[in-house]
Amino acid sequence: DAKTTQPPSMDCAEGRAANLPCNHSTISGNEYVYWYRQIHSQGPQYIIHGLKNNETNEMASLIITEDRKSSTLILPHATLRDTAVYYCIADAGGTSYGKLTFGQGTILTVHP
Amino acid sequence: EAGVAQSPRYKIIEKRQSVAFWCNPISGHATLYWYQQILGQGPKLLIQFQNNGVVDDSQLPKDRFSAERLKGVDSTLKIQPAKLEDSAVYLCASSSGQGSRKLFFGSGTQLSVL
Repeated sequence: DAKTTQPPSMDCAEGRAANLPCNHSTISGNEYVYWYRQIHSQGPQYIIHGLKNNETNEMASLIITEDRKSSTLILPHATLRDTAVYYCIADAGGTSYGKLTFGQGTILTVHP
Repeated sequence: EAGVAQSPRYKIIEKRQSVAFWCNPISGHATLYWYQQILGQGPKLLIQFQNNGVVDDSQLPKDRFSAERLKGVDSTLKIQPAKLEDSAVYLCASSSGQGSRKLFFGSGTQLSVL
């Protein structure tokens, strides 16, 4: 699985968009980009994933660059409850058994 | 839909004692995972089951850790004897099956070894 690089921490004002970057320059063609978040004292929670195209769901949007070497998770209107550690993971998925490897992630702090 | 249930929520033991954690995955989920999360780090996979068979236990310290998933549903993770460095949160997760990377996690068991 490709290694991902994320900033250790970021701040965001409540109500503003939070843009969390992830670098995955060694990603292979069959690897998806997954995002999870972990709120304090809870287990990680799946947010979104994508392969090539941009994706959007009720939680967030995922923008993947055309060369697939980086991506950005966008929380369009951050709230205090979005304060969490956000993990970006590159994984092949598909027919191999799921074995997500978590890195250190980005600590996002949303301020009032 | 009920989530992944884990118990106990907290456990404090002394080193060299034994401890067991229990997990009940989401109904119908074939794949079950146990992760260990040390403070300040991301979760690390210990063992993965597909139904009641082990598909990956390469990072499980087998001299002291054991896990089973009877009848392909509930699972228990045991540590015997515990060491100070086993202090961590033990997370159970499940997914619908082979290939799915959409994991559903429980809230974890926080273990303190004194």
